[in-house]
Amino acid sequence: DTEVTQTPKHLVMGMTNKKSLKCEQHMGHRAMYWYKQKAKKPPELMFVYSYEKLSINESVPSRFSPECPNSSLLNLHLHALQPEDSALYLCASSRTRGGVYNEQFFGPGTRLTVL
Amino acid sequence: GDSVTQMEGPVTLSEEAFLTINCTYTATGYPSLFWYVQYPGEGLQLLLKATKADDKGSNKGFEATYRKETTSFHLEKGSVQVSDSAVYFCALQYSSASKIIFGSGTRLSIRP
Repeated sequence: DTEVTQTPKHLVMGMTNKKSLKCEQHMGHRAMYWYKQKAKKPPELMFVYSYEKLSINESVPSRFSPECPNSSLLNLHLHALQPEDSALYLCASSRTRGGVYNEQFFGPGTRLTVL
Repeated sequence: GDSVTQMEGPVTLSEEAFLTINCTYTATGYPSLFWYVQYPGEGLQLLLKATKADDKGSNKGFEATYRKETTSFHLEKGSVQVSDSAVYFCALQYSSASKIIFGSGTRLSIRP
């Protein structure tokens, strides 16, 4: 299995809703990532987990809350989002060992619309 | 700081034309270089990579050579197809870091 899966594919939510994005990989990768991608822009890194511990938070607002319950799963909990948070949210994973990170494999993304 | 610059798009070509998408980088160390492709409505796929100077990455007819002397990693394909229409991102990453530095992306459209 060489893919990263993400659910749901599309999500529409109001500004008062709470929702979660899910990401899964079974490649044995111990680094997992969340990115935000706006139209016609490259992905922007949000969070990095290494061995299930949060290692990087790129100053993301607290309305985005990541969680890594085990080595295969990564969640992004969403609460009180703003319309400008509408974007494609990409998950990625990579091998990592001894402080060395290999290339990242991306999922298909969740298209989020905040009304 | 480190950065990646790629040619402005969109690039429009006819099927079977030769493709070059220019990419140059600024790096303080010795990163790996990548080309990622994003087809409409999809996530990013790793197209090819090169880990050191003079390495050539290749995949699906695409090639790019890691040129340290010109700090470049230009993407080439000899004969493009309509199915190659996508956005292409040049990127660099240090093996000691989890963060990818992306270029701005180049949209490629191929006419039948």
